[in-house]
Amino acid sequence: AQKITQTQPGMFVQEKEAVTLDCTYDTSDPSYGLFWYKQPSSGEMIFLIYQGSYDQQNATEGRYSLNFQKARKSANLVISASQLGDSAMYFCAMREDTGRRALTFGSGTRLQVQP
Amino acid sequence: DAGITQSPRHKVTETGTPVTLRCHQTENHRYMYWYRQDPGHGLRLIHYSYGVKDTDKGEVSDGYSVSRSKTEDFLLTLESATSSQTSVYFCAISESGSYGDTQYFGPGTRLTVL
Repeated sequence: AQKITQTQPGMFVQEKEAVTLDCTYDTSDPSYGLFWYKQPSSGEMIFLIYQGSYDQQNATEGRYSLNFQKARKSANLVISASQLGDSAMYFCAMREDTGRRALTFGSGTRLQVQP
Repeated sequence: DAGITQSPRHKVTETGTPVTLRCHQTENHRYMYWYRQDPGHGLRLIHYSYGVKDTDKGEVSDGYSVSRSKTEDFLLTLESATSSQTSVYFCAISESGSYGDTQYFGPGTRLTVL
């Protein structure tokens, strides 16, 4: 069974600074995908970034990067130059690459960006 | 925008009544999913569909049923709602692309069972 662990229930960061949100995962599948989603207070789930298990390079999308350490089974999200609008819940998720292709989610980290 | 809508967006109902939530997509995606979100948890899979009339259970399927008679619509039914089913329900589609199979979510339905 797949499992995602996010150990930081809440984080604070100063505006314009970088922040790292931790995510570790457990799976016996050799092929999988790792995702980060943002959920602002309005409630929608917004896709941020994706890393495939066979990707050699860390994924980047604008100010978001995913620090993928396969041997350690970690997939941390790095947000550079934090903005007030980054305040939200952030969820790490893993997708099975076979069968139902469903996502398994962590419990989330609430990020608050302070001016 | 993956073209996903959910209806209703908010619903209050009483214990023991049947409730049906609708997910509608406009882009002919094969895979569709229903998740629920509760405080302290991420989203958890209720049911999913891999085609018209093809559905299967997720981790928290007890008390829920689904139907998919058309590609664009995926219905979630609570046969007899209970207070433990008070939650936010998200529908998702799986879209193949440069990110593998990425899931995109509808806006959610907030359901309260009194």
